[in-house]
Order: sequence, then structure tokens, then C-alpha cells
Amino acid sequence: EDQVTQSPEALRLQEGESSSLNCSYTVSGLRGLFWYRQDPGKGPEFLFTLYSAGEEKEKERLKATLTKKESFLHITAPKPEDSATYLCAVQAGSWGKLQFGAGTQVVVTP
Amino acid sequence: SQTIHQWPATLVQPVGSPLSLECTVEGTSNPNLYWYRQAAGRGLQLLFYSVGIGQISSEVPQNLSASRPQDRQFILSSKKLLLSDSGFYLCAWKGTAIETQYFGPGTRLLVL
Repeated sequence: EDQVTQSPEALRLQEGESSSLNCSYTVSGLRGLFWYRQDPGKGPEFLFTLYSAGEEKEKERLKATLTKKESFLHITAPKPEDSATYLCAVQAGSWGKLQFGAGTQVVVTP
Repeated sequence: SQTIHQWPATLVQPVGSPLSLECTVEGTSNPNLYWYRQAAGRGLQLLFYSVGIGQISSEVPQNLSASRPQDRQFILSSKKLLLSDSGFYLCAWKGTAIETQYFGPGTRLLVL
């Protein structure tokens, strides 16, 4: 059975304090790994799609990397506006179905 | 550009009442459409998906049903709500040529 585990569950950072979020997965036939950002009471906002081990993508202070067993979301010099829940999802089956992790709640304090 | 709408934004319903949540997508044709539910502090659980008009696949047995009467319209329904149906309901779409799903703003449902 496909599984996606995110760690830590929650992360509290000082502004400027870089850190990484982990997403480990067990799927057969990975077709894509996705990172989303979700603010309270809102729908997830797409960040990155990664397709193969070794792939990296960046957007502002965020960088996502992928290995054969896990993905990392690196937050460099975070700002308070980076506070959100970050969701990881994998697509392994057909029809674009996604399996989500429980998310990491990030709080960045000034 | 593509946009996705959901309504209502918030809904409070008594146990045993019917439910209808609507999702519409603009700016694309023949999208794949998805309904998810998110319980407090948990990840998203896929409920239904559709790859075309009138075609619905269910992922989990439950008190809910879905329909796709038009290409860009997806409806989530129930005949009689249960307390356990409370949650945050999200609709998402995906183009046939891409893998990424894009989410709507969600509907917060509270069943009392």
C-alpha cells in the first residue's frame, strides 16, 4: 500500500533560521511527487512537482529535492509570511490520483 | 488562465439533512476532477474522481455521492448527513496533459 509520511509534524523557526522538511514515501511506480502550501481555511497552493531522483526545483526561499525514497523541502532564511502547513503528495496510480501526507505546520516568528 | 470555484464557502447543516456542494472550473476543457475531504490536522483523503461527463469513481465507501453533469461541473451530494461528514471539502482539477492538480478554495461543512 502506498504511504506518505511527513516529518516533523510541526516546526517553529525564528526569522532567518533555515530548516528542512521531510517527506518519505513508499510507492511502486512513482509518477510524480508534489509539494503544496496551505494557509488556514484555504485550499492548497501548488509549489513544486518532482518526477525523478536527483531533480531539484526552487522558488524564492524554497527548494525541493527528490531521492528514491524521500523528498526534502528546504526553507532558506524564512520570513513570517512563510508560515503555513506544507503538504507532500505522491502520484503512483492512474488517473492522477494523489496520496497525501499529514503535513508539516511551519511557524516563523519575527 | 484557469480558475476553480467552490460554493458555498461555509455550511452548517443538521444531521439527517441533504447536502449539495458545487465545484466549477473555468478556462480548460475535459479536465480530470477530484473531491477530497480534510479532517482537522490531517492530510487530504481522496473521495471521488472523474475523467469525463457522467463518469464517477469512488475511492472510499461512505455516505456521500458525486456527479458530473457537465464537463466542468462536479457536485458532491448526500441524502442524509452524518456527524462524521463534517470537514473541509476540496475540489481539484487536472489537465489531461499535465500531472499537477490545482485546488479550489474549499467548503467548510459542520454537521450538528
